This record gives sequence, structure tokens and C-alpha cells, in this order.
Amino acid sequence: GAVVSQHPSWVICKSGTSVKIECRSLDFQATTMFWYRQFPKQSLMLMATSNEGSKATYEQGVEKDKFLINHASLTLSTLTVTSAHPEDSSFYICSASPRTGGHYGYTFGSGTRLTVV
Amino acid sequence: SQKIEQNSEALNIQEGKTATLTCNYTNYSPAYLQWYRQDPGRGPVFLLLIRENEKEKRKERLKVTFDTTLKQSLFHITASQPADSATYLCALDPGYSTLTFGKGTMLLVSP
Repeated sequence: GAVVSQHPSWVICKSGTSVKIECRSLDFQATTMFWYRQFPKQSLMLMATSNEGSKATYEQGVEKDKFLINHASLTLSTLTVTSAHPEDSSFYICSASPRTGGHYGYTFGSGTRLTVV
Repeated sequence: SQKIEQNSEALNIQEGKTATLTCNYTNYSPAYLQWYRQDPGRGPVFLLLIRENEKEKRKERLKVTFDTTLKQSLFHITASQPADSATYLCALDPGYSTLTFGKGTMLLVSP
């Protein structure tokens, strides 16, 4: 149980275009999902907390107009990187927990490798 | 500022031995400490969670200790196997579900 599916697993886009990444909880409902970014040999950095039916909460330094998050249902959250630039190239990962508070561990998606050329 | 430190150098051990990974933190009071495994190009996989009032937690070949006085957690894999080779991440949760991750330690288990 507790499966999180992330799509696509990799994407290459041209500078200036937008890319949408989907995160789905397959066998549980997730009122809260989390979006992380990971650069090579670095730790996962929390970008934003996505709440179903309300606005996402962004971490300090993360541009909310650039990284648009939509959590329209209890099983789907999307991250759209708008006007992508090469410096946005990174590994993006979402996570969720089937239990409130995540005090039983989080389930992560398999990640999306974004390359902006 | 808050800091989580894990050994940046890879840990090389022989199959069958016990691997011990360290997670130290400063300026932090976590209510929960979690360990994850991450394989290259994949998302982390949850392994174990330990609460601030717990000293030790075990799951099969895995053991985690948590010393809030030393601000340290140790993660042990007994009878290690080549399949255990991966990067292991320590993550702290202050109690309101926002995780802060360390950079991870790469473990290499040779046959």
C-alpha cells in the first residue's frame, strides 16, 4: 500500500517553455503533498507544501509565480515550472503520507528529472 | 542555523559486516527522526522512524538509535548485502510534518 506515482520520470524542454509534473497517490487520499528539489549530491530541499483545495505554502526563497502548484483533488497535485531556464534543471520529487501528520513516514514518488536546454 | 550532518564520504564495507551511519544535528529539536534509502535517479524510500522519547528502534536487519542529548542518531544495517548499497538519508521532523533532510551517506557493500 501507500503508492505515490509521479509523471513524467524525465523531461527535456526548451528555455522559456513551461513543464507540468504530476503527483498521484494511487491507493490513499492525501490532503497534503510535498514538493522537493534535489541537485546532484545535495539534500532534498522542500519547495512547497500542497494542500487540497487551498493555496500551497512555499518555502522561503521559492518563487510561487515560477513554480505553480495545484492540488485539485485528494489524489492529485501538480507542479508547473513556468518559463523554465537552465538553472531550473534539477530532480523534482513529491511525497505524501496516508496518515495525518506523516509521523509514520512518507511515501515518495520516483522523481522527475528536468533538463532545460 | 539548523544543521544536519551526515558523513559525506562513502562508507565501504564487506558483505556480512555491520554498517553504521551517523546523523548529527545542531540547533534543532526534532520530535521525530526518520531514515530513508535513495537509489540513483529514484525517490527516497522510508525505512524507519524514531520518536524523541525512544532510544532505539529495530526492523529486521535495521536498527536506529536516537540520543537527543548528543543530538545524534546512528543507523545500523547488520549482515549487510551488496543489495544494501545505496545512499541513506536522515530526516528530521519538528512535529508539524515538515521534513529537513541531510545530504545522505553513500554505502557500498562489496561481495
